[in-house]
Amino acid sequence: QVQLVQSGSELRKPGASVKVSCKASGYTFTRNAMNWVRQAPGQGLEWMGWINTNTGKPTYGQGFTGRFVFSLDSPVRTAYLQISSLKAEDTAVYYCAREGGSYEFDYWGQGTLVTVSS
Amino acid sequence: QSVLTQPPSVSGAPGQRVTISCTGSSSNIGAGYDVHWYHQLPGTAPKLLIYGNSNRPSGVPDRFSGSKSGTSASLAITGLQAEDEADYYCQSYDSTLRKVFGGGTKLTVL
Repeated sequence: QVQLVQSGSELRKPGASVKVSCKASGYTFTRNAMNWVRQAPGQGLEWMGWINTNTGKPTYGQGFTGRFVFSLDSPVRTAYLQISSLKAEDTAVYYCAREGGSYEFDYWGQGTLVTVSS
Repeated sequence: QSVLTQPPSVSGAPGQRVTISCTGSSSNIGAGYDVHWYHQLPGTAPKLLIYGNSNRPSGVPDRFSGSKSGTSASLAITGLQAEDEADYYCQSYDSTLRKVFGGGTKLTVL
C-alpha cells in the first residue's frame, strides 16, 4: 500500500535552517509528482509547490521562493523540503502529498511540525 | 484570503444532510479544472474524500458526494454521523496560481 512517512518534529531558532524528509513506499516513486503543503497553527492548508520526481525540477508557489528548496534522493525514494533563514512565522505543520492524475493529492504524509522559537 | 471561498462553518444533526460550497472564478473552477475535497480530523493529516469533482476513492462511503457547476462546487454529506465532524477543504488548479485550496469549513455535528 502507498505510504508517505515524514521525519519527526523539529525545533529551531530564528535564522537557522531545517530539512524535512518524506519517504515513499508502495508505488513507483517517479510516476507521481510530490507536493508540499503548509498548515500554520489553527489555519487552513496552503500549497507550497511541487517537484517532478522524474526530472527533479521544482516549482514553487507564490510566497515560497528564495528560502524554500525541494529536492529528491530518488534511489531511496525520498523527497525533501529545506527551509533556510527560519522565521517565527514558518512555525507550521508541513505535509508532503502525492499527486494523482487530476492534480489531486491522493496520499499524504503524517506531517512534520516545525517550531521556530528563540 | 483564499482563492476558493468556503463557508467557515456548517452544522447539522445526526442523520441530516449538509452541503459545503466552494466558490472559485474563471481562472480555476470556471476554467474547467477539477475540484477535489479533503477532510481533516483534529491532529491528523488531510485525507482525500472526492476527486475529479464527483469520484470517491476506494473506501469512502457513498454518503459523500461532490458536484460542480460553473465557477462553484459542492460537497454533500447525507446521513450525518458524529465521526463526520472535521474540517473540510476544497482544492483545484488555477491557471495563474497553480494548485489552490479553499479556506476550509468546520463541520459540527450537533
